[in-house]
Amino acid sequence: AQSVAQPEDQVNVAEGNPLTVKCTYSVSGNPYLFWYVQYPNRGLQFLLKYITGDNLVKGSYGFEAEFNKSQTSFHLKKPSALVSDSALYFCAVRDGAGKSTFGDGTTLTVKP
Amino acid sequence: NAGVTQTPKFRVLKTGQSMTLLCAQDMNHEYMYWYRQDPGMGLRLIHYSVGEGTTAKGEVPDGYNVSRLKKQNFLLGLESAAPSQTSVYFCASRTTDTGELFFGEGSRLTVL
Repeated sequence: AQSVAQPEDQVNVAEGNPLTVKCTYSVSGNPYLFWYVQYPNRGLQFLLKYITGDNLVKGSYGFEAEFNKSQTSFHLKKPSALVSDSALYFCAVRDGAGKSTFGDGTTLTVKP
Repeated sequence: NAGVTQTPKFRVLKTGQSMTLLCAQDMNHEYMYWYRQDPGMGLRLIHYSVGEGTTAKGEVPDGYNVSRLKKQNFLLGLESAAPSQTSVYFCASRTTDTGELFFGEGSRLTVL
């Protein structure tokens, strides 16, 4: 069975500093990997995805993620955090049958 | 663009009552999903559909039923609500195997 682990419930960074939100996964076959963001009382919004190709994927709002096959990781990164980046972030993996599995989420807090 | 619309947004039920949540998407997507979100547990898949007239069970299907009579609509029913079904429910849709999910704004259900 496929799974996603987000080892940190909470990540705190200062505005202007780089941020990393960690994600590791387990899936049979080639993974399709996604990051979503959720603001309070809202639905999830797509940030970026890795399907194939370049291991560094760029997405919305200046976010990027690095796919590492050997470490089965797909960490979300941003070079310079903004207070407005504060939200709940979810990593998800989809298998070849089309079923998506989500991590438990990581709350990112960016302090001024 | 409406995207994915869920109704109602809020509902309070008594134990044993029934209700239906409606999800409508205007993007001509084939795949539609119902998830529930509980604190610290990420998103869990209840039921999904890969096309009009088809439905399948997800991770936590017990106590729920679904129907996809029209391509644009995906209904989630609770026949006899229980307090354990208190949650926030999200509908999502997508087009291709590698496509990202588009989420509705959520429906907050409380069962007393």
